[in-house]
Amino acid sequence: GQQVMQIPQYQHVQEGEDFTTYCNSSTTLSNIQWYKQRPGGHPVFLIQLVKSGEVKKQKRLTFQFGEAKKNSSLHITATQTTDVGTYFCAGPSSGNTGKLIFGQGTTLQVKP
Amino acid sequence: DTEVTQTPKHLVMGMTNKKSLKCEQHMGHRAMYWYKQKAKKPPELMFVYSYEKLSINESVPSRFSPECPNSSLLNLHLHALQPEDSALYLCASSQVQGLGEQYFGPGTRLTVT
Repeated sequence: GQQVMQIPQYQHVQEGEDFTTYCNSSTTLSNIQWYKQRPGGHPVFLIQLVKSGEVKKQKRLTFQFGEAKKNSSLHITATQTTDVGTYFCAGPSSGNTGKLIFGQGTTLQVKP
Repeated sequence: DTEVTQTPKHLVMGMTNKKSLKCEQHMGHRAMYWYKQKAKKPPELMFVYSYEKLSINESVPSRFSPECPNSSLLNLHLHALQPEDSALYLCASSQVQGLGEQYFGPGTRLTVT
């Protein structure tokens, strides 16, 4: 079945270091969404990418959607302790059912 | 108002109890979702309601029974649960099914004893 794979599963960084999480889909996606879940919290929508090769920035966060629309990445520059949490990518399931297929998530720990 | 609310925040129930989880949104969204999330795992879709009709049931056991009384409310009725059903239950909504971002509620932390 359709899968969305995300790596790494965990990342520990020193505050100020950069961080990247990668997302790969087994199928071409019409769009990809990114969510952040803080410890003890709930997923919060960050961004949606739609176009092939699209790059979007939100302050220190840079999101990319691959040319083939099968992979995506989230890069955080100069991490801060407020970046701690689990980052999930999610793509719509084939057949336009409205179901989101989530990656397994990357949990980021930032050491001050 | 971009908030999805859920009650209760925490729930402990025995295997013979009947309880309900409640979810509410006032964003005019016409799609509402129930997810189950285990620790260190992504949310796992259970049900989708679109325009107050059940659209997707991800083969969820019948001890979970969803209900959508109106476009703002979503309930999840629980009966005869098992300890392995202990999890965070998240409600979410979106403008329409399959379109745009989903707004998640804070969740109900359920423990089945």
